[in-house]
Amino acid sequence: QSVLTQPPSASGTPGQRVTISCSGSSSNIGSNYVYWYQQLSGMAPKLLIYKNNQRPSGVPDRFSGSKSGTSASLAISGLRSEDEADYYCVTWDDSLTSVVFGGGTKLTVL
Amino acid sequence: EVQLVESGGDLVKPGGSLRLSCAVSGFTFSNAQMTWVRQAPGKGLEWVGRIKSKVDGGTTDYGAPVKGRFTISRDDSKTTLYLQMNSLKSEDTAVYYCATGEPGWKYWGQGTLVTVSS
Repeated sequence: QSVLTQPPSASGTPGQRVTISCSGSSSNIGSNYVYWYQQLSGMAPKLLIYKNNQRPSGVPDRFSGSKSGTSASLAISGLRSEDEADYYCVTWDDSLTSVVFGGGTKLTVL
Repeated sequence: EVQLVESGGDLVKPGGSLRLSCAVSGFTFSNAQMTWVRQAPGKGLEWVGRIKSKVDGGTTDYGAPVKGRFTISRDDSKTTLYLQMNSLKSEDTAVYYCATGEPGWKYWGQGTLVTVSS
């Protein structure tokens, strides 16, 4: 049981916009930055979003992050087949004094 | 080019010990906070722990499942990060990644597999 709650799966067709949610609490998302990672099958994770809504250089602007209260979201617009991957939200938890992950969302491009 | 290369993964019996290494190049290792993340087969990512740079105190933090059994250390002269794992359990079976590149973890190694089984 992960501290952060993500839907286990999401799907969309090429060109569509998909949103992945990440729900937490006041001790984690509510008071700390959220980060998002993409993990392609068999590969190491890749940083997509840092500090809630910032994109590292090289990450397409099709990817965007947002945060409101104790929830965060990752939006992917103009969905492409290569976006098929697992996506994880991550933040710090003040009560646990630990980094916490969401359980991950498997995105399927139909 | 930033490179992180993990090594040391192996098959070990329950109760045994293992030390993983993460050799780093391409950036100023001594200034970097370093993190270990693991992934059990077919499961999600899990934070193992981190070590801050000596400038930031060199302190360590650990996830609850490994606290008291795992120790993270660093050798800035060798630009290498370590993970000493003791009292290993079957649930520690995972690919172990080292990561860095605050804010967030921009750089990751390829991972090394640790299998705990009799």
